[in-house]
Amino acid sequence: SSELTQDPAVSVALGQTVRITCQGDSLRSYYASWYQQKPGQAPVLVIYGKNNRPSGIPDRFSGSSSGNTASLTITGAQAEDEADYYCNSRDSSGNPLVFGGGTKLTVL
Amino acid sequence: EVQLVESGGGLIQPGGSLRLSCAASGFTVSSNYMSWVRQAPGKGLEWVSVIYSGGSTYYADSVKGRFTISRDNSKNTLYLQMNSLRAEDTAVYYCARFISDFDYWGQGTLVTVSS
Repeated sequence: SSELTQDPAVSVALGQTVRITCQGDSLRSYYASWYQQKPGQAPVLVIYGKNNRPSGIPDRFSGSSSGNTASLTITGAQAEDEADYYCNSRDSSGNPLVFGGGTKLTVL
Repeated sequence: EVQLVESGGGLIQPGGSLRLSCAASGFTVSSNYMSWVRQAPGKGLEWVSVIYSGGSTYYADSVKGRFTISRDNSKNTLYLQMNSLRAEDTAVYYCARFISDFDYWGQGTLVTVSS
């Protein structure tokens, strides 16, 4: 079982703001990174570090963290943001890397 | 331009072995942390293994003792040797460059373990 917990599914109306969360003890020590995956495609990094976006990622994507919870916020969600989103961090038990179970985002 | 291209997937019987390759371009594999991540059909991402620039390796408990990650510096290529394969190893296997996050991913190669 994953040691990072995500809600399985979230929906948002077009143009509205949505927050996707990730909980885990390791997030008290390490930042989460966030990945977007569309059907049939490889994951794409969208947020890393405290709140950094790789080149080409729209600024409507942002990240934050508090205690054992990391959040990915999409401000003004677009139809093309409909995808699965995964958080990732180090595992406090010693595994270098662990993924959350993923959140399926539906844009209505 | 950074590129990662996996190969070597296919259909294999339970108990069999397979070696995946990941050819890198645009950067040096040996100077970076490299990882394998897999995704079973309809499931989420699962980290499998990492090799650090110094050569240290780590594995998920689910593959420890069966899978081996390695690299060939002369070919700038990452490998995953998979032995004693099980049905639950069926997945798309991605290689990815890992710094403090996975910034570049390959397109993946499908491994199907079935009789």
